[in-house]
Amino acid sequence: NAGVTQTPKFQVLKTGQSMTLQCAQDMNHNSMYWYRQDPGMGLRLIYYSASEGTTDKGEVPNGYNVSRLNKREFSLRLESAAPSQTSVYFCASSDRTRNTGELFFGEGSRLTVL
Amino acid sequence: AQSVTQPDIHITVSEGASLELRCNYSYGATPYLFWYVQSPGQGLQLLLKYFSGDTLVQGIKGFEAEFKRSQSSFNLRKPSVHWSDAAEYFCATEMNRDDKIIFGKGTRLHILP
Repeated sequence: NAGVTQTPKFQVLKTGQSMTLQCAQDMNHNSMYWYRQDPGMGLRLIYYSASEGTTDKGEVPNGYNVSRLNKREFSLRLESAAPSQTSVYFCASSDRTRNTGELFFGEGSRLTVL
Repeated sequence: AQSVTQPDIHITVSEGASLELRCNYSYGATPYLFWYVQSPGQGLQLLLKYFSGDTLVQGIKGFEAEFKRSQSSFNLRKPSVHWSDAAEYFCATEMNRDDKIIFGKGTRLHILP
């Protein structure tokens, strides 16, 4: 079982460049999430998707866009990267239909914006 | 706005001592509440969760947490810590049954031998 798979694991960008973080889960979960983790700030929710075809803003959505491509995949796009977006990004999924509420996380993607 | 507060950034306890990590959530109907642990260089693992019912929740690795509505708190406890418990602990909440799960800033636990 792969669980939640994120790519790439590491990326260095220059200010103004764009990139997409990919996330896929093979657990047939309805809900998917993107978080960023910064020292002393915990995990902050960027966007989430409660079901295929829906997306909602989280706590820190500015500078990001998302696409719920299908039930398995949820991508995060930085259109014009800024140094403030240097962070570790985590994708997660959850099975709401069983009401467990447990988030399953990917291994994280470390992004550096120069 | 929905929020979670973990008042302690760092906590240091001696191995074998008891532990309590604090978590407070902002006002709302009975929230879903969670504690996660992140060991150095690792991903996040769910320790326990509260949805409804018994306010004392048992989790993995000997942890428990108690939901106190009157104090808007969901503190994590362990009677006797082990060196392997050194990690960062995150409280999280889902306030409105809307899938929006918010995390606190975390408490880093240090264990003295």
